Amino acid sequence: DTGVSQNPRHKITKRGQNVTFRCDPISEHNRLYWYRQTLGQGPEFLTYFQNEAQLEKSRLLSDRFSAERPKGSFSTLEIQRTEQGDSAMYLCASSLVGGGEQYFGPGTRLTVT
Amino acid sequence: GESVGLHLPTLSVQEGDNSIINCAYSNSASDYFIWYKQESGKGPQFIIDIRSNMDKRQGQRVTVLLNKTVKHLSLQIAATQPGDSAVYFCAETLAGGGNKLTFGTGTQLKVEL
Repeated sequence: DTGVSQNPRHKITKRGQNVTFRCDPISEHNRLYWYRQTLGQGPEFLTYFQNEAQLEKSRLLSDRFSAERPKGSFSTLEIQRTEQGDSAMYLCASSLVGGGEQYFGPGTRLTVT
Repeated sequence: GESVGLHLPTLSVQEGDNSIINCAYSNSASDYFIWYKQESGKGPQFIIDIRSNMDKRQGQRVTVLLNKTVKHLSLQIAATQPGDSAVYFCAETLAGGGNKLTFGTGTQLKVEL
């Protein structure tokens, strides 16, 4: 499968714990995006990378959230000291620069208890 | 059948009928628009896109119409099939601004046999 993959698909954690999600984009894509989606809503932009550089972060991305793309390939999104309000689907997408169309992965469903 | 997206989030149509899903976008500077289909538990799937220098684009069984004057997008699905049942989102972006997507609320399409 050459699409965008995300791991894990589901994560249940207790409030206060740290979690980390991984995204593997389509191999030739140099842009990688993270979005968050809550039930019944459209995805909301969190941050994006062009190669290994993080070029923009939404104000939704509090200081408990950090994302990396160290080698310009896969990316990780870490949430520290999780809160119940962090429960959501975390989606990753990738695209080519100038290509427009973003391809989404299946998402990681986070539940904070 | 026809919906106004934000005001009527559920659209029910009979199998074989045409569906029209509407979306009002927010940023008059947006120059690239995408329709995504999202099935339960999955990431958004690209359907069709359109750039602001066009007012109509056709794909296989789908057509997107863009009216920049009133900031309105529509997605027409011909001969709707049960497999078309999903939530449909429109998304807007500035192609030169990193391409981060801003999604609308979404419309649930239900196809009745």
